[in-house]
Amino acid sequence: AQSVTQLDSQVPVFEEAPVELRCNYSSSVSVYLFWYVQYPNQGLQLLLKYLSGSTLVKGINGFEAEFNKSQTSFHLRKPSVHISDTAEYFCAVRSRGQGAQKLVFGQGTRLTINP
Amino acid sequence: DGGITQSPKYLFRKEGQNVTLSCEQNLNHDAMYWYRQDPGQGLRLIYYSQIVNDFQKGDIAEGYSVSREKKESFPLTVTSAQKNPTAFYLCAVGPFGEQFFGPGTRLTVL
Repeated sequence: AQSVTQLDSQVPVFEEAPVELRCNYSSSVSVYLFWYVQYPNQGLQLLLKYLSGSTLVKGINGFEAEFNKSQTSFHLRKPSVHISDTAEYFCAVRSRGQGAQKLVFGQGTRLTINP
Repeated sequence: DGGITQSPKYLFRKEGQNVTLSCEQNLNHDAMYWYRQDPGQGLRLIYYSQIVNDFQKGDIAEGYSVSREKKESFPLTVTSAQKNPTAFYLCAVGPFGEQFFGPGTRLTVL
């Protein structure tokens, strides 16, 4: 079984500052990793995913994440945030096995951008 | 316009009533899912279906039921057996991992 821990429930930052949202996972098997964003009262949108290859993954809206297998982490970063980045961000993991493999979500990190 | 539609956007239910949430997709994906979202708890899987006429329980299926009679549709019924149904319900489609989410239905029990 897998589990995901998002280390910060809320992260406030000033506009144009850098941000890092932390995600750690636990799994006994190899995994795929994802970050989703949810704007208020909307569904989730995929930001980026790590399936294989380069451990630095670039996504939409200027976000990137780095997979660190030894530390079982997949932290999300953006060098300069904008007011429009205010949203809730979810880290998710699934095992690499064949067939139906469930997505397991973290509890979410609420990112608030202050002017 | 394509994608995933969920209706209604807001739903109010009296205690003891069953209600059905609609999820329709035109993305031609076989797999569809229902999640429940509560504040501070992330998303939890209720049911999923990988093919028409087949579905499996997720982590919190008790008090819910589904059907999958058409590829495009995966309705969720919240029964009176669900003791705490007030939540935001999200439908998703696609293979596990690369899922596309609908806009959600917010259910409130009065």
